[in-house]
Amino acid sequence: EAGVAQSPRYKIIEKRQSVAFWCNPISGHATLYWYQQILGQGPKLLIQFQNNGVVDDSQLPKDRFSAERLKGVDSTLKIQPAKLEDSAVYLCASSLVDEQYFGPGTRLTVT
Amino acid sequence: GESVGLHLPTLSVQEGDNSIINCAYSNSASDYFIWYKQESGKGPQFIIDIRSNMDKRQGQRVTVLLNKTVKHLSLQIAATQPGDSAVYFCAEIKGGKLIFGQGTELSVKP
Repeated sequence: EAGVAQSPRYKIIEKRQSVAFWCNPISGHATLYWYQQILGQGPKLLIQFQNNGVVDDSQLPKDRFSAERLKGVDSTLKIQPAKLEDSAVYLCASSLVDEQYFGPGTRLTVT
Repeated sequence: GESVGLHLPTLSVQEGDNSIINCAYSNSASDYFIWYKQESGKGPQFIIDIRSNMDKRQGQRVTVLLNKTVKHLSLQIAATQPGDSAVYFCAEIKGGKLIFGQGTELSVKP
C-alpha cells in the first residue's frame, strides 16, 4: 500500500514570500491532517479535514496560513507571507479510523 | 499548552541492552496514549498504543506501561538494535486530537 506522499521535500524561501505544500493521502482515507514540527519539538496540529470539510483549524494562523482539500483527496497548505518563525517541517497525515499515517514532510527554511 | 512531555531529551544505550523512555502527562482525561518513532527525514511512525483503562501492553520487543496514579508512561525496548536509533515521542489522544510531547533521541552504541 502506498503511503502518504508530500512534495516538495525541501523548500527555501525568503521572508515575505509565498509557499505551497502538497499532500496526497493514502487512498480511501477520509481524514487528512497538517502538522507543523519545529526543530526539537513534537508535531503540532494545524488543521484537520474530514473529506473536504474542515473539522479543526483552531491552531492555524489564519492571517497567513490557508489550506484546502477541494475534492476530498489531495490537499494543499499555503503560507503567505512567510515569516522566519515558519521554518519547520510540515507533515501531512491521513487516517481511516484512528491510526494516523504520516508522510515524510516538507522541510521549509525561511531566510 | 502541551500536556504531554518527556523526562530526558537524549538517551544512549549499548546495542543489546534494554531501553526505557519515559513520559509524564498532566491530563488525566486523555482517552489513550501512543508512542511514535521518528527517524531522520521521515514522519512519525506508530509503534504501540495503550488505552487509559490498561496499565500494560506488549508488542514485538516493545512494552508500554501506564501508571495513572503518577501520570507516567514509559516505553521499554528489549534488546535495542542500531535500527532503533530515532527520536521517540509519546502522544495523547484528547477529544479526538493527537497531542505530541517533546521527543527523546535514542542513540544505540555498537
